[in-house]
Amino acid sequence: AQRVTQPEKLLSVFKGAPVELKCNYSYSGSPELFWYVQYSRQRLQLLLRHISRESIKGFTADLNKGETSFHLKKPFAQEEDSAMYYCALRMAAGNKLTFGGGTRVLVKP
Amino acid sequence: NAGVTQTPKFRVLKTGQSMTLLCAQDMNHEYMYWYRQDPGMGLRLIHYSVGEGTTAKGEVPDGYNVSRLKKQNFLLGLESAAPSQTSVYFCASSQSNNYEQYFGPGTRLTVT
Repeated sequence: AQRVTQPEKLLSVFKGAPVELKCNYSYSGSPELFWYVQYSRQRLQLLLRHISRESIKGFTADLNKGETSFHLKKPFAQEEDSAMYYCALRMAAGNKLTFGGGTRVLVKP
Repeated sequence: NAGVTQTPKFRVLKTGQSMTLLCAQDMNHEYMYWYRQDPGMGLRLIHYSVGEGTTAKGEVPDGYNVSRLKKQNFLLGLESAAPSQTSVYFCASSQSNNYEQYFGPGTRLTVT
């Protein structure tokens, strides 16, 4: 069965420091990975998807099939990056998502 | 264009009571989903629908029922609420397969 693991429940960094959120997955098919973000009092929204290979709000994520990982990185964290981040794996049938447990990022001034 | 809306925003139930959560979307999306969010467990799929009149079970369907009588609405029912169903419930929709899911604001349900 598919599984998404985010080992860190909380990441606390200072403004301007790099931040990396870890995501590992297990899936027998061809994986499609996403990062979703939930800011305080806002709804869950898509941050980026691996297939686009783009940088959104300074964040990037590379799919490493050998290590079955999709870590999210930003070289210089900003206070507005404080939020809950979820890694998700898409299954083709039904467009269903399997989410990791989430990582709360706190960027301190 | 309101996107995905959920009714109600908050609800407190006693064990054994029933209720229905309503999800509505105005984007003419084919697919709709119900998730529950619990601390440390992320979001887990309860039920989903790939079109009007169709529903399917997700990862944690027990204790819930759903209906999709109209394309724009997806209802989640709890027939006999239990404290284990205390959670935040999120609805989402997507245009079809291989498209981004758009989420509603959530419903916080407490069962005492």
